[in-house]
Amino acid sequence: GAVVSQHPSRVICKSGTSVKIECRSLDFQATTMFWYRQFPKQSLMLMATSNEGSKATYEQGVEKDKFLINHASLTLSTLTVTSAHPEDSSFYICSALGHHQQYFGPGTRLTVT
Amino acid sequence: AQRVTQPEKLLSVFKGAPVELKCNYSYSGSPELFWYVQYSRQRLQLLLRHISRESIKGFTADLNKGETSFHLKKPFAQEEDSAMYYCALSVDSSYKLIFGSGTRLLVRP
Repeated sequence: GAVVSQHPSRVICKSGTSVKIECRSLDFQATTMFWYRQFPKQSLMLMATSNEGSKATYEQGVEKDKFLINHASLTLSTLTVTSAHPEDSSFYICSALGHHQQYFGPGTRLTVT
Repeated sequence: AQRVTQPEKLLSVFKGAPVELKCNYSYSGSPELFWYVQYSRQRLQLLLRHISRESIKGFTADLNKGETSFHLKKPFAQEEDSAMYYCALSVDSSYKLIFGSGTRLLVRP
């Protein structure tokens, strides 16, 4: 139990376009999900906390207009990278809070050309 | 500021040798500490948390508030323990996690 999926697993987009990444809790409901960013050979950096039915809470230094988060249901949160640029290329990981712990998705590799 | 420090990027040991992955944290309040593991080509998963005080896959970790440490230990390493290990700190009821930079454990035959 407690499986979290992400879609797509990898995406390549052109500079200036927007990309949406989905995070789903498959067998449990999650009022809270988290979005992380991981640069090569570096740790996970928390970007924002996504709360179902309310606005996301962004960490310091993360542009909320750049990284749009929507948590419209108890099993789905989406991260949209708007007007993507090459420096947005990274590995994005989501997690869902359940049973007092975070369950992580497999991650999405975003490459902006 | 809250911070988690894992001083070793890579720890290489032989099978059967003891292992200790170091983790130090910086937080003035009452922390909750975790160890997460990421095996090759797999997602991050919880290994253990200090409040559980349990041993998972032979690993244990004790919170030392005096030294602000939460080192991960295993008396006899196995090859299947080779993975990336992350120490993480939760500082409030929001369940937000602050991760250390990670230590890659390589257990050689």
